[in-house]
Amino acid sequence: KAGVTQTPRYLIKTRGQQVTLSCSPISGHRSVSWYQQTPGQGLQFLFEYFSETQRNKGNFPGRFSGRQFSNSRSEMNVSTLELGDSALYLCASSFDLAYNEQFFGPGTRLTVL
Amino acid sequence: AQRVTQPEKLLSVFKGAPVELKCNYSYSGSPELFWYVQYSRQRLQLLLRHISRESIKGFTADLNKGETSFHLKKPFAQEEDSAMYYCALRSNSGNTPLVFGKGTRLSVIA
Repeated sequence: KAGVTQTPRYLIKTRGQQVTLSCSPISGHRSVSWYQQTPGQGLQFLFEYFSETQRNKGNFPGRFSGRQFSNSRSEMNVSTLELGDSALYLCASSFDLAYNEQFFGPGTRLTVL
Repeated sequence: AQRVTQPEKLLSVFKGAPVELKCNYSYSGSPELFWYVQYSRQRLQLLLRHISRESIKGFTADLNKGETSFHLKKPFAQEEDSAMYYCALRSNSGNTPLVFGKGTRLSVIA
């Protein structure tokens, strides 16, 4: 079974731009979660999608948004980028919401200049 | 509020020595606790979860509800155990997101 894939793996943007990151879950998995990982704050939850519906949302500003498609693939968008948005963005998938192990992707490294 | 605290950023032990990675949590309700591990240049992966009560790669963790702790232990550290370890929790109903601690880097010295 192929693992969780994330594209692109690396991205460099400048302040004020917007960015879209993509995540393809493991085949058959319907839940996708996004996390921001930084050296100072560690892993922080962004949002979770299940069957195209956002089920949970973390404490991030509205500049961070996401969506999930009918094939369970997910995208997250960050608008009006700030320097502090530089981070590793991790996507994780699981079969469903409850009691299931989350499988993580390799992450997208976003650098905002 | 949900919170996971890993008091040590870095833990260095000699090969063959016992290892204990500390995790304390704050949660109003019944949590499910996990340990995740990230080896160098690899993805974050689940090591173990308290409900399964398994021993994975020689590691065990016991949930102590009285002390609100979920420390990870291994009697004899190996060099391949060197990695970043994250403690995490969520509601035992599964309908809340994972909350992670900031991680502890374990370095096993030969």
